[in-house]
Amino acid sequence: DTAVSQTPKYLVTQMGNDKSIKCEQNLGHDTMYWYKQDSKKFLKIMFSYNNKELIINETVPNRFSPKSPDKAHLNLHINSLELGDSAVYFCASSQVAGRLETNEKLFFGSGTQLSVL
Amino acid sequence: RKEVEQDPGPFNVPEGATVAFNCTYSNSASQSFFWYRQDCRKEPKLLMSVYSSGNEDGRFTAQLNRASQYISLLIRDSKLSDSATYLCVVSRGGYNKLIFGAGTRLAVHP
Repeated sequence: DTAVSQTPKYLVTQMGNDKSIKCEQNLGHDTMYWYKQDSKKFLKIMFSYNNKELIINETVPNRFSPKSPDKAHLNLHINSLELGDSAVYFCASSQVAGRLETNEKLFFGSGTQLSVL
Repeated sequence: RKEVEQDPGPFNVPEGATVAFNCTYSNSASQSFFWYRQDCRKEPKLLMSVYSSGNEDGRFTAQLNRASQYISLLIRDSKLSDSATYLCVVSRGGYNKLIFGAGTRLAVHP
């Protein structure tokens, strides 16, 4: 069983479209994240939810809206897609929300390659 | 200045070599430190946490120097399967806010 699964794996779309990426974790973790990895390979946090509550919201355009219907799911909806949104988006989960313990770790999904044409 | 800086490499080494990666971080309030490994077109996976006293896991040794804000990873007896990108990761404050470096690419050849 895949611990953190995200769909779709590849997403090719035109500029201006609206698209969603879904993520589910079966680890029983309380916290889920969305990360973006651009062409320069920098992995940057976008959002984090703890038990359906938004706890991290980095400087991300309003076109990006996360939604967490329950603690096992965190979806990412993107409106009016732009060329610069092309990247790999990774969902992740972890058990601890407050202070990160040194033996805690993030479990990542396999990524969604988004290409905006 | 980037919050976490790494030499991008690539480091091209023969099998059996010892290789060391360095990483510096700018936020002195950072509390937790990790090395993640990312294979090409795959998700990052935790390699090891980094403790103040230094720690070892098989062929891998991690060191932390808080005064210099410097982290290192040493890989001994390199294997072909060690070829990957190694990401230095630092926590910033609470709520698991992990800051990733851009990674150092390692290529181990026969």
